[in-house]
Amino acid sequence: GENVEQHPSTLSVQEGDSAVIKCTYSDSASNYFPWYKQELGKRPQLIIDIRSNVGEKKDQRIAVTLNKTAKHFSLHITETQPEDSAVYFCAASNRQAGTALIFGKGTTLSVSS
Amino acid sequence: KAGVTQTPRYLIKTRGQQVTLSCSPISGHRSVSWYQQTPGQGLQFLFEYFSETQRNKGNFPGRFSGRQFSNSRSEMNVSTLELGDSALYLCASSLDGAGNQPQHFGDGTRLSIL
Repeated sequence: GENVEQHPSTLSVQEGDSAVIKCTYSDSASNYFPWYKQELGKRPQLIIDIRSNVGEKKDQRIAVTLNKTAKHFSLHITETQPEDSAVYFCAASNRQAGTALIFGKGTTLSVSS
Repeated sequence: KAGVTQTPRYLIKTRGQQVTLSCSPISGHRSVSWYQQTPGQGLQFLFEYFSETQRNKGNFPGRFSGRQFSNSRSEMNVSTLELGDSALYLCASSLDGAGNQPQHFGDGTRLSIL
């Protein structure tokens, strides 16, 4: 089955800096890669997702890149703000085949002002 | 549109007991997945139901089971509770579990085993 590794487990940056979180997946058939943000005491919220027919996707200060050959994808947050502080999870699945969405163990991002 | 609703929000049980958690998906969603969240382990996949059938299953012991009803509501049951079962149990729903449909999470049920 799918296995997703996520690094780093913790990340501390200064406000205004960029943050990068990286994930690798094991199943080459995976074709859907969402990222979730979970603030303390709240539910995980989808912030951006990418499918295997796209190499990069941007939404304001957030971007995700995908390298299918290397089986890794990354989340990039630019101009970080204190409200970006949260736990971020990456995940992977082959949604067309109906496989489960498997998550990485999460990255705790702390943005200090 | 109402979001994913999980009940109860908090539960305290003792070792050896059993527990049933409930999840009502977003209206129209037919896929429901369950996850166990513990510190340092992230979101561990338990199982996924689609149209009343278990479509995927994670690596959890048989003490963990679930089901889905014709209205897409789902329940998960844990029997013979152990201290290590203390966790936040999250469910997530999606339209059909395939293609371009993202999963939406509920607030979870916090289960504490004494």
